[in-house]
Amino acid sequence: AQSVTQLGSHVSVSEGALVLLRCNYSSSVPPYLFWYVQYPNQGLQLLLKYTSAATLVKGINGFEAEFKKSETSFHLTKPSAHMSDAAEYFCAPEDNFNKFYFGSGTKLNVKP
Amino acid sequence: NAGVTQTPKFQVLKTGQSMTLQCAQDMNHEYMSWYRQDPGMGLRLIHYSVGAGITDQGEVPNGYNVSRSTTEDFPLRLLSAAPSQTSVYFCASKGDNYGYTFGSGTRLTVV
Repeated sequence: AQSVTQLGSHVSVSEGALVLLRCNYSSSVPPYLFWYVQYPNQGLQLLLKYTSAATLVKGINGFEAEFKKSETSFHLTKPSAHMSDAAEYFCAPEDNFNKFYFGSGTKLNVKP
Repeated sequence: NAGVTQTPKFQVLKTGQSMTLQCAQDMNHEYMSWYRQDPGMGLRLIHYSVGAGITDQGEVPNGYNVSRSTTEDFPLRLLSAAPSQTSVYFCASKGDNYGYTFGSGTRLTVV
């Protein structure tokens, strides 16, 4: 089964600063990798997805993630944080059987 | 297009009571699943279904039952509620395109 590690349960950045949320998956390369975002008291929304077509994936709201096989990583970045980015972010690989394995999540706080 | 609809949004149960969390989707998705979300633990898969009449267990199935009589509906039953089942429950569905569509969740408290 896949597993995923999200380093840092809480990340705090200033508005306008770079956002970097870390995700490392287990050594077997999953066919698909996803980032989801959860705003307070809401369900999860798909932010972006990696499907092997390109290693750099662009998502909604200015986020992007780069798949690095050598580092087994799929870190999420955004050049300039906005207050509206404050949410919890989940990394999730999907295996060949439609099963998702969610990380424990990283809460992003954006300071004015 | 409603997507994935979960009812109720909030529920308080007494220990030992039973109840059913409802989930319906109108996207004709074959794959549906139930997750529970607890602080610091991410989302854990309870049960899933790959189509009508087919269900299987996830990581944390104990204390829960599911059935899938139609493509649209995937109810989750708590047989005898326990305080350990206090959580936020999410239903999700997936079609041919990648990625899940999630419902807005049911916040359950067992006292």
